[in-house]
Amino acid sequence: ILNVEQSPQSLHVQEGDSTNFTCSFPSSNFYALHWYRWETAKSPEALFVMTLNGDEKKKGRISATLNTKEGYSYLYIKGSQPEDSATYLCAAQGGGADGLTFGKGTHLIIQP
Amino acid sequence: DTEVTQTPKHLVMGMTNKKSLKCEQHMGHRAMYWYKQKAKKPPELMFVYSYEKLSINESVPSRFSPECPNSSLLNLHLHALQPEDSALYLCASSSHPGTSYEQYFGPGTRLTVT
Repeated sequence: ILNVEQSPQSLHVQEGDSTNFTCSFPSSNFYALHWYRWETAKSPEALFVMTLNGDEKKKGRISATLNTKEGYSYLYIKGSQPEDSATYLCAAQGGGADGLTFGKGTHLIIQP
Repeated sequence: DTEVTQTPKHLVMGMTNKKSLKCEQHMGHRAMYWYKQKAKKPPELMFVYSYEKLSINESVPSRFSPECPNSSLLNLHLHALQPEDSALYLCASSSHPGTSYEQYFGPGTRLTVT
């Protein structure tokens, strides 16, 4: 069982500001790192899947980086909007494993 | 259609009841998953089906019995549950088992055991 940690647990950000948060995971036996966005009463929505050290992915104002050697990933949101308010989950996938081990998430609230 | 559907949305059952949760996807995915999420905790993997065969059981009690009748459908049969089994049950699917393809999640079934 992998130990996946996310920080901070919650975050209040002013609309228009940029923000970032962290996911750490065991660097040994790493296979993939997944980021999800989860709004209340909806399905978790996949944002990124990253596998390679140094990988950087972008979707609109959201981007993510991956460091597999030290076992961390950052998620960045540029110019936060109220619709960005959600819980952001990261999940690690170990080598040979099919299921995901999730962190507890970062609860992001964008204040107008 | 990139949707995973789950029924029912909410379920209340007594400890002696038998009920089933249903999950369906029509994306041609060959891996399907059950996760359990208790309040203020992350989702935890319960079962994985690869090509309609059970490939992972994360030491889940036998009062939870999964079934994959075909490649589009995944059931979770519940019997003699305990109040501590109350949780959100999430189903997910991905295109190929054992790969890093993203998992698509349903909205979950909120289960309350009384």
